[in-house]
Amino acid sequence: AQKVTQAQTEISVVEKEDVTLDCVYETRDTTYYLFWYKQPPSGELVFLIRRNSFDEQNEISGRYSWNFQKSTSSFNFTITASQVVDSAVYFCALPYSGAGSYQLTFGKGTKLSVIP
Amino acid sequence: DGGITQSPKYLFRKEGQNVTLSCEQNLNHDAMYWYRQDPGQGLRLIYYSQIVNDFQKGDIAEGYSVSREKKESFPLTVTSAQKNPTAFYLCASSASGRYNEQFFGPGTRLTVL
Repeated sequence: AQKVTQAQTEISVVEKEDVTLDCVYETRDTTYYLFWYKQPPSGELVFLIRRNSFDEQNEISGRYSWNFQKSTSSFNFTITASQVVDSAVYFCALPYSGAGSYQLTFGKGTKLSVIP
Repeated sequence: DGGITQSPKYLFRKEGQNVTLSCEQNLNHDAMYWYRQDPGQGLRLIYYSQIVNDFQKGDIAEGYSVSREKKESFPLTVTSAQKNPTAFYLCASSASGRYNEQFFGPGTRLTVL
């Protein structure tokens, strides 16, 4: 069964600190993608990244980086030099199993608060 | 500007009333989805549609109904059978294909009085 676990419910950091959000997943698929979304206080989810299970290289986009480790079924997200605008709930997601499935299984999210 | 619109942003309903939440997209996406979000619960899928005139139940479809008569529109009706409808509702769409990212609307916050 598909499962996404985000064990950190809430994290608080002081501005400019680095922070890592954990995501552990379970899937029976041999090929899959993983996603991260950001939900700011306004409520709308914003797509951050999609990652193919074949590609285990770290991905970096500005202050954001993602570490995908298939051996430990983890897809962690690091924000470097955090800013107040990074305050949001962050979700990790995994597509349902099965060729015809478009649905996503979401983790319960990690609420990040960046304190000025 | 391409995107997803949901209306209204806030909705209040009396117990026993049905209410319909609107979702429109101009991204030319085939697939559309409705999610419910409760505090600490993440997102749970209510219904989804991969093509016009077809839709499937998600994990928590009881007490909800949908229609997909046009590609652009996927309205959700919260019926009186839904026992605890107060929640934040998010609509999303994606291109066909299992691994395409979903784009989300701004959400509707429904409160039952």
